[in-house]
Amino acid sequence: AQSVTQLGSHVSVSEGALVLLRCNYSSSVPPYLFWYVQYPNQGLQLLLKYTTGATLVKGINGFEAEFKKSETSFHLTKPSAHMSDAAEYFCAVKDNYGQNFVFGPGTRLSVLP
Amino acid sequence: DSGVTQTPKHLITATGQRVTLRCSPRSGDLSVYWYQQSLDQGLQFLIQYYNGEERAKGNILERFSAQQFPDLHSELNLSSLELGDSALYFCASSGQAYNEQFFGPGTRLTVL
Repeated sequence: AQSVTQLGSHVSVSEGALVLLRCNYSSSVPPYLFWYVQYPNQGLQLLLKYTTGATLVKGINGFEAEFKKSETSFHLTKPSAHMSDAAEYFCAVKDNYGQNFVFGPGTRLSVLP
Repeated sequence: DSGVTQTPKHLITATGQRVTLRCSPRSGDLSVYWYQQSLDQGLQFLIQYYNGEERAKGNILERFSAQQFPDLHSELNLSSLELGDSALYFCASSGQAYNEQFFGPGTRLTVL
């Protein structure tokens, strides 16, 4: 069965600092990988996705993620944090044969002034 | 706006009652997923429907049931409600392209 781990349930960074949110997955087949963001009292919004091709994926709001097959990782980064980035971030994996998405437990990002 | 709509936005009810949550997927999306999000359990996949048929089942209690209608909207029925059922319930839909999911704004259920 697939699983997704996100290291750190809560990450705090200063405004302007690098954001790094970690995601590792287990999948026996090439996966599709996703990052979603959830702002307070809202639904989840797709930030970016990896399906095939280039392993460095750019998303909305200046975020990007790199698929590293050898490390089974899909870490999310942003060079400079903004106050508006404070939210919960979920990594998700779906194999390209099955039907289920598997979501990680989420990482709450706080941005300090 | 994801294009997925959910009603109602808030629901307050008592233990033992039954409620129905409604979801309309994005135009053209055939798959509908239901999730429960609570503080202690995180985001839990409940069930998926594809074009009217149940496709996958997750951590859905026997007291809960769902269905997808011919017009592709879906309903999640929660019965014999308990305090622990208080949570945010999300619906998501997906189409054919890589099956990314689009989430609705959620229904906040409070059981008193």
